Amino acid sequence: SAVISQKPSRDICQRGTSLTIQCQVDSQVTMMFWYRQQPGQSLTLIATANQGSEATYESGFVIDKFPISRPNLTFSTLTVSNMSPEDSSIYLCSVWEQGPGELFFGEGSRLTVL
Amino acid sequence: GESVGLHLPTLSVQEGDNSIINCAYSNSASDYFIWYKQESGKGPQFIIDIRSNMDKRQGQRVTVLLNKTVKHLSLQIAATQPGDSAVYFCAENKRSNFGNEKLTFGTGTRLTIIP
Repeated sequence: SAVISQKPSRDICQRGTSLTIQCQVDSQVTMMFWYRQQPGQSLTLIATANQGSEATYESGFVIDKFPISRPNLTFSTLTVSNMSPEDSSIYLCSVWEQGPGELFFGEGSRLTVL
Repeated sequence: GESVGLHLPTLSVQEGDNSIINCAYSNSASDYFIWYKQESGKGPQFIIDIRSNMDKRQGQRVTVLLNKTVKHLSLQIAATQPGDSAVYFCAENKRSNFGNEKLTFGTGTRLTIIP
């Protein structure tokens, strides 16, 4: 199974600033996704990170707020822009592996906005 | 809108007993269902999955049952252990217009194993 590393694991940020979260996978994967998990809640898909093209965003999420990069098949970044306390969440990177047909998750990046 | 939801937000079970976690889904077109376990401070971990052409699948100490008639999914954990304490999510597969594999997650059930 894919090993997914996320950085930072946690951070405390000030309102109005931006933070970039990195996701590194130990193997090449076609499909990478970014999820948000608000405190005590379930996971919500933000976007699909497409290699070499613009990310595909879900309803309620926009590129200006959550710009995503996917320069190659093993790496992606998610930026949370102009943060407010409502952005305090765990942000999770995930990859779909066709072989086992499973979605694997990183450990998540816990973001607190003051 | 279509959604995946859980019947109970919390469940406490005596160690050694069996537990059942339930999930209702509303998209009859979903063809793939998965249970995930999330321990505190960690990402979700795959437990077991089932395709819509099956009604039961067994793993090690876990069984997933699918009732397509009433759109109901359950996870049975046998002989529970303290390490089973976690939040459990069901998820359904919805193919996007782009053909990608996307999952919709339910609200989660927190399972607590009482020693």
